[in-house]
Amino acid sequence: QVQLVQSGGVLKRPGASVKVSCKASGYSFSSHGFSWVRQAPGQGLEWMGWISGYNGKTNYAESLQDRVTMTIDTSTSTASMELRSLRFDDTALYYCARDLGDYVLDLWGLGTLVTVSS
Amino acid sequence: YVLTQAPSLSVAPGRTATFSCGGNNIGSKTVHWYRQRAGQAPVLVIYYDSGRPSGIPERFSGSKSGSTATLTISGVEAGDEGDYYCQVWDVSGLVVFGGGTKLTVL
Repeated sequence: QVQLVQSGGVLKRPGASVKVSCKASGYSFSSHGFSWVRQAPGQGLEWMGWISGYNGKTNYAESLQDRVTMTIDTSTSTASMELRSLRFDDTALYYCARDLGDYVLDLWGLGTLVTVSS
Repeated sequence: YVLTQAPSLSVAPGRTATFSCGGNNIGSKTVHWYRQRAGQAPVLVIYYDSGRPSGIPERFSGSKSGSTATLTISGVEAGDEGDYYCQVWDVSGLVVFGGGTKLTVL
């Protein structure tokens, strides 16, 4: 079954870091990249960045590039996204999505809720 | 880079829904469209301006002209309700989503 399974929701304090994982199954992991997209409560979609499933090359959104790191582990078919120096407005549902190329996002995980609260 | 979408659209069943996505020089960029039903992850409905993924009905079509990309759903059904987002990218690595349009089927 082709799917992306994301890690569970977390609660973090301001200033902390969070790492969200996304395990792919049912297809060749290295054949496609991953985009990460977040959605604040009641808001629209925000693209965060992309990572190649082949060589780990990245392209980050300019607004987040100082705080975000995306990685892959081909041995476990898992993509991960780490966001540092969390702020209250980082509270959001974080999605990973398979990127077919040219940012065509054809398969999405169910999302991971990250709550930043003191 | 800003993509402008109307916040809401209401259409009666069987009629045509037309979503607009405006952006500077959008003609030089590639546009994809997604639908997000309430409480669910987004689903790709149009790619490369007018391509339709497998499983998406022929009622869904996309086009682009001038500074506007358009998603059209003909014969709207209740199951089409949701938020529709346009997304663009260009070769510089710019990737942006529009603010989304909420479709209500009357």
